[in-house]
Amino acid sequence: EVHLVESGGGLVRPGGSLRLSCTASGFNFDHYSMYWLRQAPGNRPEYVSGINGIANSTHYGNSVQGRFTISRDNSKNMVYLQMDSLRLEDTALYYCAKDGGSGSYPGQWGQGTLVTVSS
Amino acid sequence: SYELTQPPSVSVSPGQTATITCSGSALPKRYAHWYHQKSGRAPVLVIYEDNKRPSGVSQRLSGSSSGTMATLTITGAQVADEGDYYCYSTDVDAVVFGGGTRLTVL
Repeated sequence: EVHLVESGGGLVRPGGSLRLSCTASGFNFDHYSMYWLRQAPGNRPEYVSGINGIANSTHYGNSVQGRFTISRDNSKNMVYLQMDSLRLEDTALYYCAKDGGSGSYPGQWGQGTLVTVSS
Repeated sequence: SYELTQPPSVSVSPGQTATITCSGSALPKRYAHWYHQKSGRAPVLVIYEDNKRPSGVSQRLSGSSSGTMATLTITGAQVADEGDYYCYSTDVDAVVFGGGTRLTVL
């Protein structure tokens, strides 16, 4: 069974940094792209970033491009999101997700970790 | 920027058929995927690549796509089907969710 657990969320000041982690289990981790998505209260989900299985290709949503960095450690079955220059509008529940199988959409999602950017 | 447009709400009686649409200019050449989200829970994939159902998803849910519109159909709607439904697709350098449709069964 696929299991995804996010951690690292918390309260941070505008301009600050935070690193999210996602621990994956129940599947051949290095065979799948992984994603970070987020959802602010009352809003639709938003694509944040994706990384392919061998970590040689990454992609970012327009709103985080240049500020966030996705990475993965296949030896630990973990994916990370380094978030720098955080803004008030980055406040959201951040989800880690496993690719659905074709490299083009999130399949299973974790339960999320909350990031609050506030002064 | 690329957008996917959904009706904000759909309401049906139990046992009736609910239809949720998703409109986007790139859908003729891109797949649509659908997620169901209940309050306080993470989204769950219910349809992928226009019309495929993940294992464990009820056969009452089906998807289709024609031209610039993708459609999620829920036959024999149940209270358990209530919640928000989001379509998801891509265009050149854009990955987007639709605005979401709240399904009410009453």
